[in-house]
Amino acid sequence: DSGVTQTPKHLITATGQRVTLRCSPRSGDLSVYWYQQSLDQGLQFLIQYYNGEERAKGNILERFSAQQFPDLHSELNLSSLELGDSALYFCASSVTDGGYETQYFGPGTRLLVL
Amino acid sequence: GQQLNQSPQSMFIQEGEDVSMNCTSSSIFNTWLWYKQDPGEGPVLLIALYKAGELTSNGRLTAQFGITRKDSFLNISASIPSDVGIYFCAGPNAGNMLTFGGGTRLMVKP
Repeated sequence: DSGVTQTPKHLITATGQRVTLRCSPRSGDLSVYWYQQSLDQGLQFLIQYYNGEERAKGNILERFSAQQFPDLHSELNLSSLELGDSALYFCASSVTDGGYETQYFGPGTRLLVL
Repeated sequence: GQQLNQSPQSMFIQEGEDVSMNCTSSSIFNTWLWYKQDPGEGPVLLIALYKAGELTSNGRLTAQFGITRKDSFLNISASIPSDVGIYFCAGPNAGNMLTFGGGTRLMVKP
């Protein structure tokens, strides 16, 4: 158990819909990263938040957005869903020790868009 | 952008055999990470390498950071059925966003 929790574990929805994925980082971790894992694209970085502020963006679509709340949990919002958005979505939180940052991944949310 | 090429894509081996997989990059990384992903789970960090030439072990796992800083390998000795899973190499960019290799799927025959 990495200490990172994600809900829901599974989500089935229809094209055009909007969903929200939730992540709670490990206690004390200020950074949250979101990744998408699909069969054709592999694991890809989407976006990072640090202590409530967006820090970095990767291959995140404009239909997707995220935020990190004062209690440090984060939500990833996916809107106008398309079939190709079906994937595993992971969040990770990180700790810095001795100058090195290590990311710990949650169990993921499996999204199926029908 | 940075890309990590991981090989082989899959391996089907006999229990007890040793396994070797590697990862190469067209650009330099200052850190190499090896993760394992079990079915239905998130990636779990196995080994982190921080210095070129570094050789690090974690039980039956050994990983090395190539001296050119453009490659790394992971060895698993005396494989067991629970070694089954997908192994990913990863490297952070300047912003600590991880770039992942395509993964090596390991299957172990008892």
